[in-house]
Amino acid sequence: AQTVTQSQPEMSVQEAETVTLSCTYDTSESNYYLFWYKQPPSRQMILVIRQEAYKQQNATENRFSVNFQKAAKSFSLKISDSQLGDTAMYFCALNTGANSKLTFGKGITLSVRP
Amino acid sequence: KAGVTQTPRYLIKTRGQQVTLSCSPISGHRSVSWYQQTPGQGLQFLFEYFSETQRNKGNFPGRFSGRQFSNSRSEMNVSTLELGDSALYLCASSLYQGGQPQHFGDGTRLSIL
Repeated sequence: AQTVTQSQPEMSVQEAETVTLSCTYDTSESNYYLFWYKQPPSRQMILVIRQEAYKQQNATENRFSVNFQKAAKSFSLKISDSQLGDTAMYFCALNTGANSKLTFGKGITLSVRP
Repeated sequence: KAGVTQTPRYLIKTRGQQVTLSCSPISGHRSVSWYQQTPGQGLQFLFEYFSETQRNKGNFPGRFSGRQFSNSRSEMNVSTLELGDSALYLCASSLYQGGQPQHFGDGTRLSIL
């Protein structure tokens, strides 16, 4: 069975600063995918960034980057130059590839202060 | 290209009724997955459909069922509604079974009175 843990229920950051959201996971599979999804009040789940487990290089997407520590089963998201539009719930998710099922963490509410 | 479309956006039902939710995937996507989102349980996987067949199922009672049509559109049905079924139901599509990433719709907010 797969598990994803997000231990911080909420965080706050000043606009233009950097924030890191934590996530740990557990799986016995050797090949898997990790994702960060953003869910603003509009409800739509938006893909922020993804990481394939076999890739050692950490994924980056503009202001978003991850710190993937495979041995520690840790997958944190760093948001640089935070913007007001980054205010949302952020979910860490795991997929083991055999099917489309995503296992989600409980999510973290991020507030960006002006 | 249009995104994943879910209808209706909001729905209010009473206990004991049944409900059908609809999901149209992104054009060309053949896999559709459904998730239930509640404040207490978070996001939980319901089932996945690919090529009109249920390929994977989460830990939900038999009152939750679904189907997929030849055009890849999917419906989810919940019978004998209970108060605990109040949730946001999200649909996600991908190119094929197990395909990543998945693209989500805006969800259907179901409220049970």
